[in-house]
Amino acid sequence: IAGITQAPTSQILAAGRRMTLRCTQDMRHNAMYWYRQDLGLGLRLIHYSNTAGTTGKGEVPDGYSVSRANTDDFPLTLASAVPSQTSVYFCASSDGGAADTQYFGPGTRLTVL
Amino acid sequence: GQNIDQPTEMTATEGAIVQINCTYQTSGFNGLFWYQQHAGEAPTFLSYNVLDGLEEKGRFSSFLSRSKGYSYLLLKELQMKDSASYLCAVRDGDYKLSFGAGTTVTVRA
Repeated sequence: IAGITQAPTSQILAAGRRMTLRCTQDMRHNAMYWYRQDLGLGLRLIHYSNTAGTTGKGEVPDGYSVSRANTDDFPLTLASAVPSQTSVYFCASSDGGAADTQYFGPGTRLTVL
Repeated sequence: GQNIDQPTEMTATEGAIVQINCTYQTSGFNGLFWYQQHAGEAPTFLSYNVLDGLEEKGRFSSFLSRSKGYSYLLLKELQMKDSASYLCAVRDGDYKLSFGAGTTVTVRA
């Protein structure tokens, strides 16, 4: 089934640990995005990639890094997790059409203690 | 930054109509999106407006006025399954999507 998958579904992590959230899409979309969603704040863009090999910073990039080695995969890494990174993380990709609509993965619920 | 405002919560009765307003102030404008998000799930695309006017898609319609920085999502013939959060998102001049905090709609029998 075409779409976006994310792993893990949820994770509890000790502060200071390194963590990589995985995102894979099979729709051959060029652009991919990472958002975090916090209660009352809506979705905020962390990093994005317009095409394989390129990445850019979003609204809240500090403490996060990304890579885009190929079209399908866009992992998000927390080098040293802090409690303020407790959130739900959504990966998305866009179809490049006239609307360039973004489609979202199921999300990863991350708790940093 | 971008400023996108929408009401926090709305309640309506099954079979009724609800209108969710969204106002925005952004650096440039390249389209406005509405997404539906059920609790614990991913946002799913509902509608896209880039020109002024009304776009109708079955029970859902979305309206845009660029000069007023205003949009609304109209949900008709409400069903229990429409209970969800509705997110207004604006694509700015840099082609980045900024989201409002979302409007939680509760449909009561």
